[in-house]
Amino acid sequence: AQKITQTQPGMFVQEKEAVTLDCTYDTSDQSYGLFWYKQPSSGEMIFLIYQGSYDEQNATEGRYSLNFQKARKSANLVISASQLGDSAMYFCAMRENSGYSTLTFGKGTMLLVSP
Amino acid sequence: NAGVTQTPKFQVLKTGQSMTLQCAQDMNHNSMYWYRQDPGMGLRLIYYSASEGTTDKGEVPNGYNVSRLNKREFSLRLESAAPSQTSVYFCAASKGQGNNEQFFGPGTRLTVL
Repeated sequence: AQKITQTQPGMFVQEKEAVTLDCTYDTSDQSYGLFWYKQPSSGEMIFLIYQGSYDEQNATEGRYSLNFQKARKSANLVISASQLGDSAMYFCAMRENSGYSTLTFGKGTMLLVSP
Repeated sequence: NAGVTQTPKFQVLKTGQSMTLQCAQDMNHNSMYWYRQDPGMGLRLIYYSASEGTTDKGEVPNGYNVSRLNKREFSLRLESAAPSQTSVYFCAASKGQGNNEQFFGPGTRLTVL
Protein backbone atom coordinates (compact mmCIF):
# COMPACT_ATOMS: atom_id res chain seq x y z
CA ALA A 1 0.00 0.00 0.00
CA GLN A 2 1.18 3.50 -0.74
CA LYS A 3 2.31 5.43 2.26
CA ILE A 4 1.45 8.81 0.77
CA THR A 5 -1.48 9.26 -1.57
CA GLN A 6 -2.19 12.39 -3.53
CA THR A 7 -5.36 11.70 -5.47
CA GLN A 8 -5.44 14.88 -7.55
CA PRO A 9 -3.06 14.69 -10.52
CA GLY A 10 -3.99 18.24 -11.48
CA MET A 11 -5.89 21.17 -10.01
CA PHE A 12 -7.02 24.47 -11.47
CA VAL A 13 -7.74 27.62 -9.49
CA GLN A 14 -8.31 31.25 -10.32
CA GLU A 15 -6.02 33.90 -9.02
CA LYS A 16 -6.95 35.17 -5.52
CA GLU A 17 -9.04 32.11 -4.74
CA ALA A 18 -8.16 29.48 -2.13
CA VAL A 19 -7.30 25.90 -3.10
CA THR A 20 -6.91 22.67 -1.15
CA LEU A 21 -4.48 19.97 -2.22
CA ASP A 22 -5.26 16.56 -0.75
CA CYS A 23 -2.84 14.21 0.96
CA THR A 24 -3.59 11.03 2.87
CA TYR A 25 -0.98 8.91 4.58
CA ASP A 26 -0.59 5.47 6.00
CA THR A 27 1.55 4.69 9.02
CA SER A 28 1.37 2.66 12.20
CA ASP A 29 3.84 4.94 13.97
CA GLN A 30 2.54 7.25 16.69
CA SER A 31 5.24 9.82 16.04
CA TYR A 32 5.68 11.09 12.52
CA GLY A 33 6.01 14.28 10.53
CA LEU A 34 4.29 15.55 7.42
CA PHE A 35 5.87 17.93 4.93
CA TRP A 36 4.79 19.79 1.83
CA TYR A 37 7.20 20.79 -0.92
CA LYS A 38 6.68 22.93 -4.02
CA GLN A 39 8.44 22.24 -7.31
CA PRO A 40 8.07 25.05 -9.88
CA SER A 41 8.83 24.50 -13.54
CA SER A 42 12.46 25.47 -12.88
CA GLY A 43 12.80 22.17 -11.03
CA GLU A 44 14.00 23.03 -7.55
CA MET A 45 12.29 21.59 -4.48
CA ILE A 46 11.11 24.22 -2.02
CA PHE A 47 10.03 23.36 1.52
CA LEU A 48 6.67 24.92 2.40
CA ILE A 49 5.30 23.65 5.69
CA TYR A 50 5.64 20.98 8.35
CA GLN A 51 3.16 19.29 10.74
CA GLY A 52 4.16 16.99 13.57
CA SER A 53 1.85 14.19 14.61
CA TYR A 54 1.71 15.50 18.17
CA ASP A 55 1.12 19.12 17.20
CA GLU A 56 -2.27 20.15 18.48
CA GLN A 57 -2.69 23.09 16.16
CA ASN A 58 -2.63 23.09 12.39
CA ALA A 59 0.58 24.48 10.96
CA THR A 60 0.54 27.80 9.12
CA GLU A 61 3.21 29.60 7.10
CA GLY A 62 2.01 32.78 5.47
CA ARG A 63 -0.55 31.86 2.81
CA TYR A 64 0.01 28.14 3.42
CA SER A 65 -1.80 26.16 6.06
CA LEU A 66 -2.05 22.47 6.71
CA ASN A 67 -5.43 20.97 7.49
CA PHE A 68 -4.34 18.07 9.69
CA GLN A 69 -6.99 15.47 10.52
CA LYS A 70 -5.18 12.76 12.42
CA ALA A 71 -8.06 10.32 12.75
CA ARG A 72 -8.63 10.44 9.00
CA LYS A 73 -4.88 10.37 8.32
CA SER A 74 -5.07 13.37 6.08
CA ALA A 75 -2.79 16.39 5.80
CA ASN A 76 -4.23 18.67 3.17
CA LEU A 77 -2.41 21.80 2.04
CA VAL A 78 -4.50 24.95 1.82
CA ILE A 79 -3.20 27.86 -0.22
CA SER A 80 -5.11 31.07 0.35
CA ALA A 81 -5.31 33.93 -2.14
CA SER A 82 -3.62 32.01 -4.96
CA GLN A 83 -1.06 33.81 -7.07
CA LEU A 84 0.20 33.08 -10.58
CA GLY A 85 3.54 32.12 -9.04
CA ASP A 86 1.85 29.30 -7.14
CA SER A 87 1.58 27.31 -10.37
CA ALA A 88 3.81 24.31 -9.69
CA MET A 89 3.92 20.66 -8.64
CA TYR A 90 3.20 20.09 -4.97
CA PHE A 91 4.46 17.07 -3.08
CA CYS A 92 3.32 15.71 0.25
CA ALA A 93 5.90 13.71 2.21
CA MET A 94 6.07 11.82 5.50
CA ARG A 95 8.81 10.97 7.93
CA GLU A 96 8.01 8.02 10.15
CA ASN A 97 9.56 7.68 13.55
CA SER A 98 10.84 4.23 12.64
CA GLY A 99 12.70 5.56 9.60
CA TYR A 100 15.83 7.57 10.12
CA SER A 101 14.89 11.04 8.93
CA THR A 102 14.04 9.67 5.52
CA LEU A 103 11.04 11.02 3.68
CA THR A 104 8.49 9.13 1.63
CA PHE A 105 6.96 11.29 -1.07
CA GLY A 106 3.61 11.19 -2.81
CA LYS A 107 3.37 11.41 -6.59
CA GLY A 108 2.43 15.05 -6.54
CA THR A 109 -0.35 17.38 -7.67
CA MET A 110 0.10 19.88 -10.48
CA LEU A 111 -1.53 23.20 -9.62
CA LEU A 112 -2.30 25.74 -12.33
CA VAL A 113 -3.37 29.23 -11.33
CA SER A 114 -5.17 31.22 -14.01
CA PRO A 115 -5.58 35.00 -14.16
CA ASN B 1 25.57 30.43 1.55
CA ALA B 2 25.04 28.23 -1.50
CA GLY B 3 23.03 25.61 0.43
CA VAL B 4 23.16 22.34 -1.51
CA THR B 5 25.03 22.30 -4.82
CA GLN B 6 25.11 19.54 -7.44
CA THR B 7 27.30 18.95 -10.44
CA PRO B 8 26.80 18.48 -13.30
CA LYS B 9 23.39 19.98 -14.12
CA PHE B 10 22.97 17.90 -17.26
CA GLN B 11 24.64 14.74 -18.48
CA VAL B 12 24.18 12.35 -21.37
CA LEU B 13 25.72 8.88 -21.12
CA LYS B 14 25.81 5.83 -23.31
CA THR B 15 24.68 2.52 -21.91
CA GLY B 16 27.51 0.95 -19.93
CA GLN B 17 29.38 4.17 -19.19
CA SER B 18 30.08 5.19 -15.63
CA MET B 19 29.86 8.54 -13.92
CA THR B 20 29.73 10.19 -10.52
CA LEU B 21 27.24 12.83 -9.48
CA GLN B 22 28.67 15.26 -6.98
CA CYS B 23 26.81 16.92 -4.11
CA ALA B 24 28.06 19.36 -1.50
CA GLN B 25 26.37 21.30 1.29
CA ASP B 26 27.62 24.23 3.32
CA MET B 27 24.93 24.14 6.02
CA ASN B 28 26.92 21.88 8.36
CA HIS B 29 24.07 19.36 8.27
CA ASN B 30 24.65 15.81 9.42
CA SER B 31 22.42 13.89 7.02
CA MET B 32 22.47 13.75 3.24
CA TYR B 33 20.27 11.98 0.71
CA TRP B 34 20.07 11.04 -2.94
CA TYR B 35 16.70 10.82 -4.70
CA ARG B 36 15.60 10.17 -8.23
CA GLN B 37 12.52 11.72 -9.77
CA ASP B 38 10.71 10.07 -12.65
CA PRO B 39 7.53 11.34 -14.33
CA GLY B 40 4.46 10.39 -12.33
CA MET B 41 6.52 8.73 -9.60
CA GLY B 42 7.38 11.51 -7.20
CA LEU B 43 10.79 11.32 -5.53
CA ARG B 44 12.25 7.99 -4.49
CA LEU B 45 15.13 7.59 -2.10
CA ILE B 46 18.21 5.88 -3.52
CA TYR B 47 20.70 6.11 -0.64
CA TYR B 48 21.17 8.24 2.41
CA SER B 49 23.88 9.04 4.90
CA ALA B 50 22.71 9.69 8.43
CA SER B 51 26.09 11.06 9.42
CA GLU B 52 29.66 11.22 8.19
CA GLY B 53 30.99 7.72 7.73
CA THR B 54 27.64 5.95 7.37
CA THR B 55 25.51 5.14 4.35
CA ASP B 56 22.30 3.15 3.98
CA LYS B 57 20.13 1.94 1.15
CA GLY B 58 16.85 3.58 0.36
CA GLU B 59 13.94 2.39 -1.73
CA VAL B 60 15.74 2.03 -5.09
CA PRO B 61 19.48 1.40 -4.54
CA ASN B 62 20.17 -1.13 -7.31
CA GLY B 63 22.72 0.08 -9.85
CA TYR B 64 24.09 2.83 -7.61
CA ASN B 65 26.84 3.33 -5.08
CA VAL B 66 27.49 6.25 -2.78
CA SER B 67 30.36 7.76 -0.86
CA ARG B 68 30.14 10.17 2.05
CA LEU B 69 33.51 11.75 1.50
CA ASN B 70 33.26 14.08 4.48
CA LYS B 71 30.53 16.01 6.25
CA ARG B 72 30.06 18.32 3.27
CA GLU B 73 30.13 15.93 0.33
CA PHE B 74 28.02 12.97 -0.73
CA SER B 75 28.54 11.46 -4.18
CA LEU B 76 26.42 9.06 -6.21
CA ARG B 77 28.09 6.70 -8.67
CA LEU B 78 26.61 4.81 -11.59
CA GLU B 79 29.08 2.05 -12.45
CA SER B 80 27.39 0.86 -15.64
CA ALA B 81 24.62 3.17 -16.71
CA ALA B 82 21.37 1.76 -18.09
CA PRO B 83 18.51 3.53 -19.90
CA SER B 84 16.32 2.83 -16.85
CA GLN B 85 18.53 5.22 -14.92
CA THR B 86 17.45 8.14 -17.07
CA SER B 87 16.01 10.48 -14.48
CA VAL B 88 16.44 13.70 -12.56
CA TYR B 89 18.64 13.20 -9.51
CA PHE B 90 18.32 15.33 -6.41
CA CYS B 91 20.67 15.58 -3.47
CA ALA B 92 19.32 16.84 -0.15
CA ALA B 93 20.63 17.61 3.33
CA SER B 94 19.04 17.89 6.75
CA LYS B 95 20.14 18.37 10.33
CA GLY B 96 19.45 14.71 10.98
CA GLN B 97 17.39 13.16 13.72
CA GLY B 98 13.99 14.68 14.24
CA ASN B 99 11.47 16.23 11.98
CA ASN B 100 13.78 18.63 10.21
CA GLU B 101 13.07 19.65 6.68
CA GLN B 102 15.38 18.52 3.93
CA PHE B 103 17.04 21.14 1.76
CA PHE B 104 17.42 20.16 -1.86
CA GLY B 105 19.99 20.86 -4.52
CA PRO B 106 18.97 22.04 -8.00
CA GLY B 107 19.06 18.54 -9.50
CA THR B 108 20.98 16.74 -12.24
CA ARG B 109 19.15 15.71 -15.39
CA LEU B 110 20.70 12.46 -16.62
CA THR B 111 19.93 10.77 -19.92
CA VAL B 112 21.26 7.31 -20.71
CA LEU B 113 21.09 6.35 -24.37
